Amino acid sequence: EPEVTQTPSHQVTQMGQEVILRCVPISNHLYFYWYRQILGQKVEFLVSFYNNEISEKSEIFDDQFSVERPDGSNFTLKIRSTKLEDSAMYFCASSDRGSGRQETQYFGPGTRLLVL
Amino acid sequence: GDSVTQMEGPVTLSEEAFLTINCTYTATGYPSLFWYVQYPGEGLQLLLKATKADDKGSNKGFEATYRKETTSFHLEKGSVQVSDSAVYFCALRKTSGSRLTFGEGTQLTVNP
Repeated sequence: EPEVTQTPSHQVTQMGQEVILRCVPISNHLYFYWYRQILGQKVEFLVSFYNNEISEKSEIFDDQFSVERPDGSNFTLKIRSTKLEDSAMYFCASSDRGSGRQETQYFGPGTRLLVL
Repeated sequence: GDSVTQMEGPVTLSEEAFLTINCTYTATGYPSLFWYVQYPGEGLQLLLKATKADDKGSNKGFEATYRKETTSFHLEKGSVQVSDSAVYFCALRKTSGSRLTFGEGTQLTVNP
């Protein structure tokens, strides 16, 4: 069964460093998402992406975050200058349609980011 | 804004016990409702969904009914197994949008 994959599974970085989290969505999907879960808190929406553009973003997704689909298979989340509060589990998701009652998002296993 | 509230965990049950995990939501209009499950070391997997009032979603012995009048989508299973041990997330999505809004997650442990 097709699945979303994410690398790395764990990332440790120093405050102020840039990190890039990578995702390979399901191959025929066109809509991509990032969510995060700070330890002990809810899973929160960050951004959705379609046709090489951000289609929706949350208040969390400020200027230090960016997303990109650099080739036909990868979808990346970049954090330019990490802060301690960016420590969280980051989930990538993809779907074959962007909205509507039949839309289902499929999630990857997550990348646990620790900022020291 | 939209929100989802789940019963507080963790929940510990013996094998073959009846499971209920409560979920209520706040949203305008008629959102779609979901239960996702996360097994240890894995991503969020869709367990079941319901897209309109009075719909019942079901999968792997789990079921949940979309109750508009009580704004609820409680997850139930008649007889849990050890393999059901996982974290369960309730979520909603507006029909016109793409973002999922999640509840806190409920850790379920089933003992033999």
